[in-house]
Amino acid sequence: DTEVTQTPKHLVMGMTNKKSLKCEQHMGHRAMYWYKQKAKKPPELMFVYSYEKLSINESVPSRFSPECPNSSLLNLHLHALQPEDSALYLCASSQRTHSNQPQHFGDGTRLSIL
Amino acid sequence: SQQGEEDPQALSIQEGENATMNCSYKTSINNLQWYRQNSGRGLVHLILIRSNEREKHSGRLRVTLDTSKKSSSLLITASRAADTASYFCATKPNAGGTSYGKLTFGQGTILTVHP
Repeated sequence: DTEVTQTPKHLVMGMTNKKSLKCEQHMGHRAMYWYKQKAKKPPELMFVYSYEKLSINESVPSRFSPECPNSSLLNLHLHALQPEDSALYLCASSQRTHSNQPQHFGDGTRLSIL
Repeated sequence: SQQGEEDPQALSIQEGENATMNCSYKTSINNLQWYRQNSGRGLVHLILIRSNEREKHSGRLRVTLDTSKKSSSLLITASRAADTASYFCATKPNAGGTSYGKLTFGQGTILTVHP
């Protein structure tokens, strides 16, 4: 079991659907991250939140919209996705963005776009 | 872009043997971390080595860091079938740049340990 919980574990959606991915941690971490991972590739950073504020956006298309409603929750809203967006979406958290502490990852949401 | 390069890309060994994976990076770093990922799961942190450290141990893991060569190695001793996974190095840059706070992952090594 991981300390970062992601829901749902699997999601299949059409290109016109709107859905959201959810991530939750209760370790008191103030930095949270979204990564995208394609098969047999490393995770690619998408967004970083620090103290509930967006601090890094890695030029992610606007069809991905992050939200951090409080220090324990991180959402990723999806709209009008493309087939190439099919991937494993990983959430992670750490004490602070600038600390020497590691990131803790959830098990991800495997997203398939039809 | 991913600055870390790892080799080998894949490694297949027998149980009990040692496994060594290497990682190279391009920019100056604050620390370097190693993560393991089992198939279909998230990443699990293994070990962190700071830029002023040269070697670190944790159980059967030994990590070295050579900042002059911008490289690191992960040694797993007496491997077990349960060590079968993908292993990624990840670098955290020094303060001051636009990348500060980001973790950049290498391409990874797929390790298979045969019973």
